[in-house]
Amino acid sequence: EAGVTQFPSHSVIEKGQTVTLRCDPISGHDNLYWYRRVMGKEIKFLLHFVKESKQDESGMPNNRFLAERTGGTYSTLKVQPAELEDSGVYFCASSQLQGFGIDEQFFGPGTRLTVL
Amino acid sequence: DAKTTQPNSMESNEEEPVHLPCNHSTISGTDYIHWYRQLPSQGPEYVIHGLTSNVNNRMASLAIAEDRKSSTLILHRATLRDAAVYYCILRDGRGGKLIFGQGTTLQVKP
Repeated sequence: EAGVTQFPSHSVIEKGQTVTLRCDPISGHDNLYWYRRVMGKEIKFLLHFVKESKQDESGMPNNRFLAERTGGTYSTLKVQPAELEDSGVYFCASSQLQGFGIDEQFFGPGTRLTVL
Repeated sequence: DAKTTQPNSMESNEEEPVHLPCNHSTISGTDYIHWYRQLPSQGPEYVIHGLTSNVNNRMASLAIAEDRKSSTLILHRATLRDAAVYYCILRDGRGGKLIFGQGTTLQVKP
């Protein structure tokens, strides 16, 4: 069974440009999460989809970030315009069960974003 | 969400047991204790979770104090591949997001 995949693995862009990150969850997983780690900081939650609906977007830093999950399958995270402080590693995770605090989240390898 | 406290780093010798402690004194009755780890250049991976009773799986064991204010992740025989950052995370019964702290960086010496 394929794991969570993320594309691209690395992205280097100029400040002010737009970047779109993609996450393909494990097939059949209704829950999809985005997290990120900026340099020297802890991994931080960004948002949570249940199928195509945003369940929790409390971690989204500002309106330059837009996440979508059309059709409840893959998800994209667009940063427009990118700023220097957006540099970091963006992780996607998916899980099968909802609620009860016991679902195992499967993480992708991450996308390393560098904004110059 | 309740917070956890872990040592910044620990060392172990290969093939010896490792006990990774975690304090969570403000845990609520519905919080599950989860452990994830992150190997170098990879995303985090699930290790184990528990609520009140001790738990065992193929990767590790989780020992939970009777008052649930602390827990210990036990790797029975550390290998070089177990060198990683280990995160102790509390999740309430609603599930959802994981809240990562700084974790414990485990070094395994041959």
